[in-house]
Amino acid sequence: AAGVIQSPRHLIKEKRETATLKCYPIPRHDTVYWYQQGPGQDPQFLISFYEKMQSDKGSIPDRFSAQQFSDYHSELNMSSLELGDSALYFCASSLQRNVRVNTEAFFGQGTRLTVV
Amino acid sequence: SQKIEQNSEALNIQEGKTATLTCNYTNYSPAYLQWYRQDPGRGPVFLLLIRENEKEKRKERLKVTFDTTLKQSLFHITASQPADSATYLCALPKTDSWGKLQFGAGTQVVVTP
Repeated sequence: AAGVIQSPRHLIKEKRETATLKCYPIPRHDTVYWYQQGPGQDPQFLISFYEKMQSDKGSIPDRFSAQQFSDYHSELNMSSLELGDSALYFCASSLQRNVRVNTEAFFGQGTRLTVV
Repeated sequence: SQKIEQNSEALNIQEGKTATLTCNYTNYSPAYLQWYRQDPGRGPVFLLLIRENEKEKRKERLKVTFDTTLKQSLFHITASQPADSATYLCALPKTDSWGKLQFGAGTQVVVTP
């Protein structure tokens, strides 16, 4: 079965550079989430999209932005990178059944970003 | 503020025994609760979803209970195996925002032969 695809799997950037992470959700899923997970931390919600519109925003720095495209893939753009941005970035997708309930979230393998 | 609490200490258990993990939450009225498994360096993998009107749910060797009065979920792994060693996360949808999952810090389970 198709899963959530993230690219690249690993990324090394220098401070103040820009990075773009890509996510391809499971076909027919209408909701995409981005999470950041630092070493030894639980996943922290950054932002989500429903039907290509931003649906919610979490602890996402102003230096980061994201969008979802017409083919439902999503990109997380990170500018002016800082050492503290080094983390695993996960994308997940789900299907919204109704206003209060989404199905389970399926996570990608993540992108490991290292800022040096 | 909304909080999810899971045991921070690793749970060391002998193969064949039952591992029981706890997830307590405050200031939520969740429509459902989810449990995920995460292996080091990999994305969380969904295990079970239990809805607010369900008391218990089972999947193979896994059992989840959900007590909305106590605001607690218990996650059981019966007949545990070394391959069950991982971190287990509970997740709840934020009350003010559908679909936005908030995760607990997770509990590491170590199953020894």
